[in-house]
Amino acid sequence: GDKVKQSPSALSLQEGTNSALRCNFSIAATTVQWFLQNPRGSLINLFYLVPGTKENGRLKSAFDSKESYSTLHIRDAQLEDSGTYFCAAEEGQGGRALIFGTGTTVSVSP
Amino acid sequence: NAGVIQTPRHKVTGKGQEATLWCEPISGHSAVFWYRQTIVQGLEFLTYFRNQAPIDDSGMPKERFSAQMPNQSHSTLKIQSTQPQDSAVYLCASSLQGEDEQYFGPGTRLTVL
Repeated sequence: GDKVKQSPSALSLQEGTNSALRCNFSIAATTVQWFLQNPRGSLINLFYLVPGTKENGRLKSAFDSKESYSTLHIRDAQLEDSGTYFCAAEEGQGGRALIFGTGTTVSVSP
Repeated sequence: NAGVIQTPRHKVTGKGQEATLWCEPISGHSAVFWYRQTIVQGLEFLTYFRNQAPIDDSGMPKERFSAQMPNQSHSTLKIQSTQPQDSAVYLCASSLQGEDEQYFGPGTRLTVL
């Protein structure tokens, strides 16, 4: 089964609304990264998390390693928030490859 | 800081030809990772170097694929006898020491005809 399950797979938002994306892990995730892939395909770093919470502008993310999940909250969605969001987890300690979720495609409309 | 640099951005090869993809990590980063992205498989890990030494190549196809890091400023991914199923976006990432935040390059889109 999928080691990193991301939901929902797609999300349509109106400008100004709030939403949440989630990743559930079936591995012993030690760190989590969230990325936004823009229309050109570039992966933009949003958050790097050890267990805990971080906030950056209208985005907020949390990672709970004991309950094996991470969330990304988008507040007051804007058109430029459109794109595909990926979470990725590192399994274990000492430097490992990232294991990616399947992505959430977010479309923000006026 | 130019970020991770990947060249070429696009490459088209005929079936059976060789393709070499280049990655220049962020200056000062000692770890380089290679991933590839397809519609069907999503983003999947290929191989990882730290201080130029191969650490983990568990994601590399056993045949036709090889990677090297001859110096701290670049890594190459070589695909011999390319096949249509090798078509993908190949992404390179670097991190400071391998166990911290990874930063991705723009990718090389490989198309095998």
